[in-house]
Amino acid sequence: AQTVTQSQPEMSVQEAETVTLSCTYDTSESNYYLFWYKQPPSRQMILVIRQEAYKQQNATENRFSVNFQKAAKSFSLKISDSQLGDTAMYFCAFMKQNTDKLIFGTGTRLQVFP
Amino acid sequence: GAVVSQHPSRVICKSGTSVKIECRSLDFQATTMFWYRQFPKQSLMLMATSNEGSKATYEQGVEKDKFLINHASLTLSTLTVTSAHPEDSSFYICSARDVVTHEQYFGPGTRLTVT
Repeated sequence: AQTVTQSQPEMSVQEAETVTLSCTYDTSESNYYLFWYKQPPSRQMILVIRQEAYKQQNATENRFSVNFQKAAKSFSLKISDSQLGDTAMYFCAFMKQNTDKLIFGTGTRLQVFP
Repeated sequence: GAVVSQHPSRVICKSGTSVKIECRSLDFQATTMFWYRQFPKQSLMLMATSNEGSKATYEQGVEKDKFLINHASLTLSTLTVTSAHPEDSSFYICSARDVVTHEQYFGPGTRLTVT
């Protein structure tokens, strides 16, 4: 069975600074997808970034980028130029190829301070 | 962008009654929808996969007779919590998979409180 681990329950960062959220996963699959989702106080889940395991290039979406280390089964999220609106819970998630089931980590609560 | 709605957003019901939660994909078709449960300050746990026109697939440990799922159309799935108990109080979130793009989109969630 697949598991997703987020070892940082809470993180904080000052506005405009950079923060990295950690995620590791365990799987015997070779083809899969990894995601970072944001859940702000409104509780609406928002997709931040997505990575296909077969792609070596790290995904980037504006201020958000990932460091995908397949051999180490690590998938960290870097948020650059942090903004107050980035304050939220962040969930790392795994999806096996050819399924639609998302397996979520326990989440990291990020607080951005002015 | 793709929008998924849930209704109601909040519901309070008495112990022993049933409550229905609707999940709708507003601008796309979804043959597959998912129901999650989220306890306070915890992660999302997949309860079941709802397939249009067929029976739902439940995750291990989820009682199918307690959490009835109906996916009668390509834009609507419902979750009915039967004979609700206080321990069923939680935040229920649905997601819908777009048949064209295969992306999953999440609803805003429904907070259920059983008194």
